[in-house]
Amino acid sequence: KAGVTQTPRYLIKTRGQQVTLSCSPISGHRSVSWYQQTPGQGLQFLFEYFSETQRNKGNFPGRFSGRQFSNSRSEMNVSTLELGDSALYLCASSLGAGEDYGYTFGSGTRLTVV
Amino acid sequence: QKEVEQDPGPLSVPEGAIVSLNCTYSNSAFQYFMWYRQYSRKGPELLMYTYSSGNKEDGRFTAQVDKSSKYISLFIRDSQPSDSATYLCAMRLTDSWGKLQFGAGTQVVVTP
Repeated sequence: KAGVTQTPRYLIKTRGQQVTLSCSPISGHRSVSWYQQTPGQGLQFLFEYFSETQRNKGNFPGRFSGRQFSNSRSEMNVSTLELGDSALYLCASSLGAGEDYGYTFGSGTRLTVV
Repeated sequence: QKEVEQDPGPLSVPEGAIVSLNCTYSNSAFQYFMWYRQYSRKGPELLMYTYSSGNKEDGRFTAQVDKSSKYISLFIRDSQPSDSATYLCAMRLTDSWGKLQFGAGTQVVVTP
């Protein structure tokens, strides 16, 4: 059974640019969540999508946005990048409804803003 | 004060010892509790998942939830050097699918 796939694995961007990260969930999972992990703040929740709708949102500025497609694949976009956006971005997938078996994470996309 | 508190360690134990990890939390509405293991440069891996209070055992791992004390624990028996990693507790509210609140993570080092 394939796991959660995140692409690309590494990215280097310049301050002010924008970036799009991709996440393919486990087959059958309809919920995709995004997290930012930094040494100082740890793992922080960005947002969660279920059946193409944003269902939960964390406390991040509007520069961070996402979407989910009909096949449950999700993308996350960060506009006007800042140096502080350098982090490991993780997505996690789950069934999202009914019996809950937990959340499976991908290996993440490491974003460096220079 | 953070919603979920976890000692960052590092916690160093000899091979074969029991590793004891814990988290405390402030929001009594949390109902789902998880423990993840994260190796360097990898995503977190789900180890244990429990609902409400009680104990759960899976192989060498035992998770305990004490909702009255707002305290959760993870025990790793017969620890191995391959258990050296960062262990993260996480929890969520009943209606907050996908929105996990994480502890800071505890770095564990198992020495041969």
